[in-house]
Amino acid sequence: DAKTTQPNSMESNEEEPVHLPCNHSTISGTDYIHWYRQLPSQGPEYVIHGLTSNVNNRMASLAIAEDRKSSTLILHRATLRDAAVYYCILRDGNQGGKLIFGQGTELSVKP
Amino acid sequence: KAGVTQTPRYLIKTRGQQVTLSCSPISGHRSVSWYQQTPGQGLQFLFEYFSETQRNKGNFPGRFSGRQFSNSRSEMNVSTLELGDSALYLCASSLAEGWTEAFFGQGTRLTVV
Repeated sequence: DAKTTQPNSMESNEEEPVHLPCNHSTISGTDYIHWYRQLPSQGPEYVIHGLTSNVNNRMASLAIAEDRKSSTLILHRATLRDAAVYYCILRDGNQGGKLIFGQGTELSVKP
Repeated sequence: KAGVTQTPRYLIKTRGQQVTLSCSPISGHRSVSWYQQTPGQGLQFLFEYFSETQRNKGNFPGRFSGRQFSNSRSEMNVSTLELGDSALYLCASSLAEGWTEAFFGQGTRLTVV
């Protein structure tokens, strides 16, 4: 299973943008880049996913490097409710639904 | 619509016992996956079921097993419990096998004493 590398923790100020990086230098052509987040005392929650092109949804944006060896999750305006552990996951499109979680980035948001 | 429901929410068992955890997926979802979360190992994939068949299995001993019923509900069983099995067990459901978005339940907190 391809691995991802994320910073252990990051801090942000409320209402400012947050850029959460992820390195995945061994990504293969069939790997999708997924992001999930886990708020305290809850199960993980889907945020966004992409393959090659940048993606936007109501929660966040995903910027994927041209060589696909890194990506960045962008929260446009952080709120206190965005404080969570964010997981960057590579999911092989040919391997069903399993998600291989790394250690993730713990994001704290200061008021 | 109702989310993923896991029962029970909390459980205390003694070493050597066995335990069965239940997961009811979102209505219409046919794929169910199970994960174990511990402070030391983080979130680890256990297994995935689709249409009552196990599709993927993680690197766990044979004491961990599961099944899926025709209504897509799933159970996982852990036999001969060890202290190290204490964890949060999470279930996730998806519309279909390999579907992009997985919806997680709140988990079952198992404590083995």
